[in-house]
Amino acid sequence: RKEVEQDPGPFNVPEGATVAFNCTYSNSASQSFFWYRQDCRKEPKLLMSVYSSGNEDGRFTAQLNRASQYISLLIRDSKLSDSATYLCVVIHGSSNTGKLIFGQGTTLQVKP
Amino acid sequence: NAGVTQTPKFQVLKTGQSMTLQCAQDMNHNSMYWYRQDPGMGLRLIYYSASEGTTDKGEVPNGYNVSRLNKREFSLRLESAAPSQTSVYFCASSWEAGAQETQYFGPGTRLLVL
Repeated sequence: RKEVEQDPGPFNVPEGATVAFNCTYSNSASQSFFWYRQDCRKEPKLLMSVYSSGNEDGRFTAQLNRASQYISLLIRDSKLSDSATYLCVVIHGSSNTGKLIFGQGTTLQVKP
Repeated sequence: NAGVTQTPKFQVLKTGQSMTLQCAQDMNHNSMYWYRQDPGMGLRLIYYSASEGTTDKGEVPNGYNVSRLNKREFSLRLESAAPSQTSVYFCASSWEAGAQETQYFGPGTRLLVL
């Protein structure tokens, strides 16, 4: 079983739609959680950190469910420019090595 | 600031050839990393350097060596390339190697081993 699992998609949605991705992690010692965005043939970039209380950044909302060991990303009012692959990332414990554990990513395609 | 730069952008090798992937960052970061990305696998850590003068193995170090040349530069060497090393290689850096530190990635090197 992979440490971090995501549905690879693709998720095809029309502009303006709301879409949500989930990501499950297997190690209960995981302490830090992130969503990265990767455009086609480009490098990953941090989209947002995921806090225990949940957090929002504009149209994006990230939530953590420790009991069920998953994190989610909600995108409201989807734009064409949101088309990308979204990578779920966790770090174990209070790691002082910065080792990121990546999911394989979920691909979103927003259609006009 | 250029951020994290990588050379070359593309490379084709024959099995058994060697090459070095170069990475440099101009953000004065202490920690640097090498990842490989394969379809369906996500990014996997090959080696990292928490600070200048130190290097440690990641999840998939076999077949690779690294050198932290100075604070700015972290190179990845394939001594004898194999087709299984066909991948996209990303270098990244962060201020420190802590759990909350954002990692900044370079544009990647696409390597094909025939």
